[in-house]
Amino acid sequence: DAGVIQSPRHEVTEMGQEVTLRCKPISGHDYLFWYRQTMMRGLELLIYFNNNVPIDDSGMPEDRFSAKMPNASFSTLKIQPSEPRDSAVYFCASRFTGVYGYTFGSGTRLTVV
Amino acid sequence: AQKVTQAQTEISVVEKEDVTLDCVYETRDTTYYLFWYKQPPSGELVFLIRRNSFDEQNEISGRYSWNFQKSTSSFNFTITASQVVDSAVYFCALSEAGGATNKLIFGTGTLLAVQP
Repeated sequence: DAGVIQSPRHEVTEMGQEVTLRCKPISGHDYLFWYRQTMMRGLELLIYFNNNVPIDDSGMPEDRFSAKMPNASFSTLKIQPSEPRDSAVYFCASRFTGVYGYTFGSGTRLTVV
Repeated sequence: AQKVTQAQTEISVVEKEDVTLDCVYETRDTTYYLFWYKQPPSGELVFLIRRNSFDEQNEISGRYSWNFQKSTSSFNFTITASQVVDSAVYFCALSEAGGATNKLIFGTGTLLAVQP
């Protein structure tokens, strides 16, 4: 298995633009998580899905952030409009029910200028 | 509420020294899981170990060992004979196993610098 695949690896965008981050979980995993890593706040959970359904989005910072999981093999995290304070590394992770190991993707480094 | 504390922000050692990274956790649950992840300079998060709350047996994997003590709510990580390649940020994390909580709560991480 190729692991959790995230794209793009790096994204530089101008303030106000829409940004879409993509994630392909490991095949068969039924949980998908989006985390954000910043120097100030460390690693924080934004949202997670179970069987493609959003379960807890309490970590989503504001309405500018949205996440979808249209099928078991794909998820997106969208920021519209983006702001400089959104600059961070965004990680996607997946796991299978009953197995408490989380596999992380390589992350997307987002820079909003 | 769940919380993970890694009091050591940065540690610097010379190659071949042993080093212990501390992790203290808080949880009200009786069933939970503890993790250690490594984040090398390349940025990815690498899974190292998972322990459940019912298994306090210490574990050794090569130069790595973990000491889990429920009495002190600690899950410390020791690297024996450190190497330059061990230089990374190490995160301790906690996940409660029951109910609807599936979050992995991370500590703030410890930056380990191993000097040649």
